[in-house]
Amino acid sequence: GAGVSQSPSNKVTEKGKDVELRCDPISGHTALYWYRQSLGQGLEFLIYFQGNSAPDKSGLPSDRFSAERTGGSVSTLTIQRTQQEDSAVYLCASSLARGAGEQYFGPGTRLTVT
Amino acid sequence: ELKVEQNPLFLSMQEGKNYTIYCNYSTTSDRLYWYRQDPGKSLESLFVLLSNGAVKQEGRLMASLDTKARLSTLHITAAVHDLSATYFCAVDNGGGGADGLTFGKGTHLIIQP
Repeated sequence: GAGVSQSPSNKVTEKGKDVELRCDPISGHTALYWYRQSLGQGLEFLIYFQGNSAPDKSGLPSDRFSAERTGGSVSTLTIQRTQQEDSAVYLCASSLARGAGEQYFGPGTRLTVT
Repeated sequence: ELKVEQNPLFLSMQEGKNYTIYCNYSTTSDRLYWYRQDPGKSLESLFVLLSNGAVKQEGRLMASLDTKARLSTLHITAAVHDLSATYFCAVDNGGGGADGLTFGKGTHLIIQP
């Protein structure tokens, strides 16, 4: 079956612009996760959703970051007023349910802020 | 704060040799994951270790978990070039993956013919 998909695969934006990243999890997976991968920080957990709910947003790097999930499926990660330090690969993962263990990762969105 | 440390971070080895990558973590957890990442690609799940003493094998790779020592190992037997990649271990942040995973920095493995 189809895996986790993300769009766009690459995004180049100017500093100060807003960007929206999209994740479509594996069908039937109720848990969805966002991570960020950069050379300096490695792989960082950002936020997770169980259904449409995100119980803990403390992993988001700043208040310029927000995420939502509607219909228990597609999620969007929005970064407002982008900064150069936001440049990274943003990875989305999904799992069957909270506590179901294995997370399946999408191909990522490479964000470059110029 | 959960910390996950891998070593070595970089490993160059010859085909046919054996080696072990180590993953230490700082808090009690009985769920540990190993992932592989090829350059420019996403993370591919290799092993899920869910209890103390768990051992899993796939081809030339074998992973084990010792929750008392807070240590997991990824052993490579008779390495081949196709195993060249970056390998990450990851541990649950909280109950059953509910709060995401904390990853090690990764082990960049190069296998030379």
